Amino acid sequence: SYELTQPLSVSVALGLTARITCGGNNIGGKNVHWYQQRPGQAPVLVMFDNSKRPSGIPERFSGSNSGNTATLTISGAQAGDEADYYCHLWDSNTDVVFGGGTKLTVL
Amino acid sequence: VQLAQSGAEVKKPGESLKISCKGSGYSFADYWIAWVRQMPGKGLEWVGIVYAGDSDTRYSPSFQGQVTMSADKSISTAYLQWSSLKASDTAMYFCARRSGTAYFDTWGQGTLVTVSS
Repeated sequence: SYELTQPLSVSVALGLTARITCGGNNIGGKNVHWYQQRPGQAPVLVMFDNSKRPSGIPERFSGSNSGNTATLTISGAQAGDEADYYCHLWDSNTDVVFGGGTKLTVL
Repeated sequence: VQLAQSGAEVKKPGESLKISCKGSGYSFADYWIAWVRQMPGKGLEWVGIVYAGDSDTRYSPSFQGQVTMSADKSISTAYLQWSSLKASDTAMYFCARRSGTAYFDTWGQGTLVTVSS
């Protein structure tokens, strides 16, 4: 079955750039999506098809995907970006796959 | 576009339960609805997905035989049900609409299921 690997935690100073990675075998050939989940809330789609932002998501959020790693980048991190972030894709064998999630701390 | 889920439930082991997810603001029958489990303090786990148009279903191997998904397009509602709950079913359950290349663009607010004797 296909697996996605995320770091448990990432820290970033206020105003700087955070990068959250999602590793998978040849993930660069797949469409990767990202969700933000603040404490006590439902997940929210923040990036789809590797690098497309849904309406309402700030331009500070960007995405890339190549080789064995997909990356969600948050530029100018704000206190409100503190949340858990999950990567996700659809695999023909496994169907839906979620990464384990990364807790982003803004210092 | 919204998904509204039924309220929190407290059940005893062995009891049955059916929770719901009502769609609005779009053509409900044209989309798949996924169910996602989140156990306390843990990550997202895919339970399965149901096509609202004809109730075609696909289950995660981890949940096959443990739950049943269905949909009633006449009332724009998807369901997730258990015939015999266990304490280990205690979790938040989210429904989500699948769009495009299988991403989940809209999520329900979640239904907290607590199973305790």
